[in-house]
Amino acid sequence: QLHLQESGPGLVKPSETQSLICTVSGGSISSGSYYWGWIRQPPGKGLEWIGSIYYTGNTYKNLSLKSRVIISVDTSKNQLSLKLRSVTAADTAVYYCARWGAAVAAFDFWGQGTLVTVSP
Amino acid sequence: QSALTQPASVSGSPGQSITISCTGTNSDIGNYNFVSWYQQHPGKAPKLVIYNVNERPSGVSYRFSGSKSGNTASLTVSGLQAEDEADYYCSSYTTTSTIFGGGTRLTVL
Repeated sequence: QLHLQESGPGLVKPSETQSLICTVSGGSISSGSYYWGWIRQPPGKGLEWIGSIYYTGNTYKNLSLKSRVIISVDTSKNQLSLKLRSVTAADTAVYYCARWGAAVAAFDFWGQGTLVTVSP
Repeated sequence: QSALTQPASVSGSPGQSITISCTGTNSDIGNYNFVSWYQQHPGKAPKLVIYNVNERPSGVSYRFSGSKSGNTASLTVSGLQAEDEADYYCSSYTTTSTIFGGGTRLTVL
């Protein structure tokens, strides 16, 4: 059974860079039929797509975050990562990683999410 | 990449049917049959309940159905049950991005 697990610091200071890792188990991140994405949800608010990456490194990003976001994949560790630069309080959110299936054109498997708080 | 428009809340009694609308533009919903819907219970990760406008993933109840007309997609939940009370998000995939709606809180009275 596929399992995605997000990990990283739960507290980040304003202006710093936030880094998260998503570890995939029960399946290969190098599978040709899937992209892997990051989605976030501020407390009490809706979902926001951050970006998606293919195992080859091909990446799509939300234009509103593009200049601050780096998404990468490490196939040897079956992991994807997210770096968000120059964070502010507006970046406080639960961050999810998820699998995007080409056949369904949707995120069909999600991690449990991890809360990242931006605070001095 | 503006968010898709959903009503903030809908409600219905057990056994009834409700429909949640999701309005986009002819650059997203209107141009692609890649609309999906997610159910999210409090404190949980979203769960895919509809993909490709009207397809159900394995294990999702037949009571969930989807449709699309022009720039508006809809999710219908029939035979409402207490467990259906949750937030629902629509989403549209284009070739370069994914857009979510603002979410709709479904209350089962």
